[in-house]
Amino acid sequence: GAVVSQHPSRVICKSGTSVKIECRSLDFQATTMFWYRQFPKKSLMLMATSNEGSKATYEQGVEKDKFLINHASLTLSTLTVTSAHPEDSSFYICSAPREAYQETQYFGPGTRLLVL
Amino acid sequence: SQQGEEDPQALSIQEGENATMNCSYKTSINNLQWYRQNSGRGLVHLILIRSNEREKHSGRLRVTLDTSKKSSSLLITASRAADTASYFCATYTGANSKLTFGKGITLSVRP
Repeated sequence: GAVVSQHPSRVICKSGTSVKIECRSLDFQATTMFWYRQFPKKSLMLMATSNEGSKATYEQGVEKDKFLINHASLTLSTLTVTSAHPEDSSFYICSAPREAYQETQYFGPGTRLLVL
Repeated sequence: SQQGEEDPQALSIQEGENATMNCSYKTSINNLQWYRQNSGRGLVHLILIRSNEREKHSGRLRVTLDTSKKSSSLLITASRAADTASYFCATYTGANSKLTFGKGITLSVRP
């Protein structure tokens, strides 16, 4: 079946550096992908909607310049955490609606980011 | 903002018992979905129930929806240790394919 992958699965970086996370749909095309952030034992917080060929739509309170999203192709969206700080440490998950059934989503396995 | 609120927040049961999890939401919805998340992993879609449906079954899963009370329940029958995970309800309003997730329920099934 359709699968969404994320890379890397975990990353540790120093404060002030930028980190790029990739989200790929493996055997289907996704014009829309979603990026979530999840704190320990908490729910998923939608950060932004990634749109292929156009600008991402950010949720209220999410800094656009901090979390750069690029959806360059129908199978790839990237989230770049710029100038990362310890408070950006979190679990980041992407998802994509199934092509024919927009109502449900396939989720990537997530990326654990730890900023020292 | 979160739409769904699940209860209980944590549930511990013995293998073979049934697990019932509840979700309440605030606004009108197109459908409600339940997802499962194993620790440190992504989410897996379990079941979807539309606003005009009252009950749906899938294997050992049974979900109900009461739109008048804006609530849903997920029943897992004959639970197994492998059912140990976090369960989230998510509402879909039809706008931009967005899902709004509840806080989640941690289910522990003791062998």
